[in-house]
Amino acid sequence: DTEVTQTPKHLVMGMTNKKSLKCEQHMGHRAMYWYKQKAKKPPELMFVYSYEKLSINESVPSRFSPECPNSSLLNLHLHALQPEDSALYLCASSQDPTSEQTDTQYFGPGTRLTVL
Amino acid sequence: AQSVSQHNHHVILSEAASLELGCNYSYGGTVNLFWYVQYPGQHLQLLLKYFSGDPLVKGIKGFEAEFIKSKFSFNLRKPSVQWSDTAEYFCAVNPSGNDYKLSFGAGTTVTVRA
Repeated sequence: DTEVTQTPKHLVMGMTNKKSLKCEQHMGHRAMYWYKQKAKKPPELMFVYSYEKLSINESVPSRFSPECPNSSLLNLHLHALQPEDSALYLCASSQDPTSEQTDTQYFGPGTRLTVL
Repeated sequence: AQSVSQHNHHVILSEAASLELGCNYSYGGTVNLFWYVQYPGQHLQLLLKYFSGDPLVKGIKGFEAEFIKSKFSFNLRKPSVQWSDTAEYFCAVNPSGNDYKLSFGAGTTVTVRA
């Protein structure tokens, strides 16, 4: 089973709203990722969590706030977003970040975010 | 700058035609290589990957890719495409020792006409 689930599938929010995106995996993976993908563009890495600790922040604005409550869950809290933040937000996970061999990242279906 | 290049932005072909998508990277040293596919309205799915061993790797749905180290290439092929292969294809590279970071190419849109 290589399933990563994401909720909601679609989200429309105003610039003053606070919302959260949720990602879940039950594969026992210990690394989880947030990516942003604009239409017809490749995914851009935002954050990486390894063993529930933030490992990488790709200079993402503070209006995006990640959280990893446990090894299966990853949240992305959104506040005061801009219309240009509208995109598909993808979650991914991989097995063991301490492995000598690169892990394969498995992607969820994404949340389509529209900021009005 | 280190990068991943996909030469074809949009490929249009007929069913039963052969497909080859180019991917080149500019990282030195050991790399791990991936092809992902994104069907319309669907999420990124792994087509195939290369870590080591036989440079010709076979993936799902009849796809294969060949790693040519001397050319820094990892081209994707399928001998006979179907309408259902219409999708966006992304090549991705992870330089060994770079932990988590997957560098994606810009993507190639493949349209298969019935």
